[in-house]
Order: sequence, then structure tokens, then C-alpha cells
Amino acid sequence: EAQVTQNPRYLITVTGKKLTVTCSQNMNHEYMSWYRQDPGLGLRQIYYSMNVEVTDKGDVPEGYKVSRKEKRNFPLILESPSPNQTSLYFCASSSLSYNEQFFGPGTRLTVL
Amino acid sequence: EDQVTQSPEALRLQEGESSSLNCSYTVSGLRGLFWYRQDPGKGPEFLFTLYSAGEEKEKERLKATLTKKESFLHITAPKPEDSATYLCAVQVSMNYGGSQGNLIFGKGTKLSVKP
Repeated sequence: EAQVTQNPRYLITVTGKKLTVTCSQNMNHEYMSWYRQDPGLGLRQIYYSMNVEVTDKGDVPEGYKVSRKEKRNFPLILESPSPNQTSLYFCASSSLSYNEQFFGPGTRLTVL
Repeated sequence: EDQVTQSPEALRLQEGESSSLNCSYTVSGLRGLFWYRQDPGKGPEFLFTLYSAGEEKEKERLKATLTKKESFLHITAPKPEDSATYLCAVQVSMNYGGSQGNLIFGKGTKLSVKP
């Protein structure tokens, strides 16, 4: 089954404790992206990657890091999480030809 | 500044009562406009891509149209299962400084269809 998976689905952590949210897709897509979704603000793009070893900032990259060492994986790293990073995070992927983005199920992160 | 505005924020319809959702955009150059559906607690699900003014696409009770300033998502004879939040997103043309990878989303329209 074609899908985007994210782990963990739910995470509660404390300020300053480094964490990684994993994202993996099995569709051989070149493009992958991370978004955060907050009430009243909608979906905002954090980082995206057009291919392996190619990443670029979206609209809200501060406080986040990403890497794309393999085509199927695109982890989101929060080196020193803060409470304002409490949010619902989505990973997405697509082929460069069709632009239809497939979204993962989301990761709900709470930073205390 | 590139911007996407969706209206209304929320819409309540009776089953069978047709209506339209609006997505207006101000971007320097449009490469593509996308519609997604999002159910509570789930990731957005792709519906349509539109590339040029005058283009229309249909899927079941949904029809998306595009002009130079806005897009409409028309819902004909909606059913309760059409209840969801509908998201619009734009991709700015690379000729105007945009990146193929950068999508700008609107805040969505929450649609409720009562039986």
C-alpha cells in the first residue's frame, strides 16, 4: 500500500530535550516536505526536499533541522524544543511530475 | 507578499443544498493551485490541481474552477460524508521567485453537512 508513515504519532516532551520525528514514504517520490498545523494559522511549510541531499527552507524553518540522506526518509529534528513548537506536524511526499502530495497521518507534539 | 485567503471560514449546509467555497490568492505568478480535503485528526487528502485560468476539474459532487484571482470549489447536492475542512494551496511560479517545492496554504473552510 502506498503510504507516508510518521513516528511517533504522539509525543510529550520537555523544553530543551532533543527529539526526532521520522517520516518515510514507499512511493519512490523525489519530493518530501514537513508542515506544522496550528489553530487559526493553518498549514505552514517548515522545510522541503526536492531530492536526496537537497533541502530548502519553507516559511517557518526556525528551530528545526532536516536531512535527506535516503530518498525514502526525511526526518525532522528539533535540537532544543520550546513550548511554541507544540503543534500538529505533517510530512508529505510527491513525485516532481504530478505535484499531488500524499500526507502522513500526523504527529501531535507537546513541549512542556 | 504571496497570500491565500479562503472564505467562508465555516459553512453549514443541509444535505442536498449546493454551495461554493472560495479561495482567493495574490501571488506574483501562479504555477499551480491545489485543493485538499482534511478530516479531523487526519492528514490532508489531495483532490485537484489547476494550472491555468479557465481550467475546471470534477470529482463526484465536487467541481473546482480557476480564474486569474481565485478558485472555487463547487459542491453539488452535498451529503453528510462531505463534511470536512477543505484546504486550498498555491505554488508560486519559479519565474517570479517561487520554488517548485514551496506551497502556501490557506486556513481552510470547515464544511458541515446536516442530514
